[in-house]
Parts: sequence; structure tokens; C-alpha cells
Amino acid sequence: EAGVVQSPRYKIIEKKQPVAFWCNPISGHNTLYWYLQNLGQGPELLIRYENEEAVDDSQLPKDRFSAERLKGVDSTLKIQPAELGDSAVYLCASSLNQDTQYFGPGTRLTVL
Amino acid sequence: DQQVKQNSPSLSVQEGRISILNCDYTNSMFDYFLWYKKYPAEGPTFLISISSIKDKNEDGRFTVFLNKSAKHLSLHIVPSQPGDSAVYFCAASGRANNLFFGTGTRLTVIP
Repeated sequence: EAGVVQSPRYKIIEKKQPVAFWCNPISGHNTLYWYLQNLGQGPELLIRYENEEAVDDSQLPKDRFSAERLKGVDSTLKIQPAELGDSAVYLCASSLNQDTQYFGPGTRLTVL
Repeated sequence: DQQVKQNSPSLSVQEGRISILNCDYTNSMFDYFLWYKKYPAEGPTFLISISSIKDKNEDGRFTVFLNKSAKHLSLHIVPSQPGDSAVYFCAASGRANNLFFGTGTRLTVIP
């Protein structure tokens, strides 16, 4: 069974540029999560979707970050404009209902 | 404020010996605890979990112990193998299933 797929794996951009990350969860998983992981830290939740509904986006910096999961399957996380402090690994995870979360490989973002 | 803490950033163990990784939490509403293992350039991989109604869960070489009164859990790996070398994250969740992670412990198993 395929795991959580994320692309791109790496992204380097100049500050103030926009960037987007894509995630395809495990087939059948209705819950999707986006996490941010800074160097030397554990992942921190940005947003949680149940099907197409964002049920918890309290930690998403809404001035520059946005996310969507239009058909309740794959999802996109966008940053516009990116800042130097956004350099981190962005992880996507999925689960069936509220069972164990399975993570993708992440996208490493570097903002110059 | 960090609700899940892993106070040991690193641990080195000889192959064949026991590895013990520790984790403390502050939120008494947490009722489900997990350990994830992470290799470089990969996402965290689920390893083992425990519900708050139990105090021990075992899966092969991996055992997780939960001490609710002390708000402490630990992961035991016996025997340790070189392939176990990775960063281990402790995570906890409450009713909403949002995971709160510790900062990780880097385990090195020396052949």
C-alpha cells in the first residue's frame, strides 16, 4: 500500500516569493494533517482536515499561510509571501478517522 | 509551553544492550501516547502506542511503559540493533487526536 506522498521534497525560494506544497494521503484516510518541523524540534500541527473540512486551523498563521483540501483527498499548503523564518520541514500526515497518524517524507523549504 | 518533553537530546548504547528513552508530559487530559522513529530525510514512522488505560504495551523488541501518576512514559528497546539508530519522538494526544510532540532523542547504537 502506498504511503503518504508529498511533493516537492525540497524547495529553495527567495523571501517574499510564494510557495506551495502538495500532499496525497493514504487511500481511504479521511483525516489529513499539516505539520511544521523546525530544526531540533518536534512537529507542530498547523491544520487538521476531516474530509474537506478544516476542523482545526488554530495554529495556522492565516496572514500568509493557506491550505485547501477541495475534494477531501489531496491537499495543498501555500505560503505567500514566504519569510526567512519559514525555512523548515513541512510534513503531511493522514489517518483513518482519529486512529494512528502516518507521515509523509516532508518538504524541506529553504527561504533565502 | 512544551507539553511533551524529552530531556535527553541524545543516547548512545552498545549493540545488544537495552535502550531506554524517556518522555514527560504536563497535560493530564492526554489519553493516548505514541512513539515515532525518524531517519534523516524521511518523515516520522509510527513505532508503538499506548492508551492511558494501560501501563504497558509490547511489540517485539519494543515496549512502552506509562506511569500516569508521574506523567511519564518510556520506550525500551531490547536488544538494541544498529538499525535502531534514529531520532525518536514521543507524542501525546487528547480527545481531538491532535498530536503534541517532544523535541526528540537521537539514539545511536554502537556495533
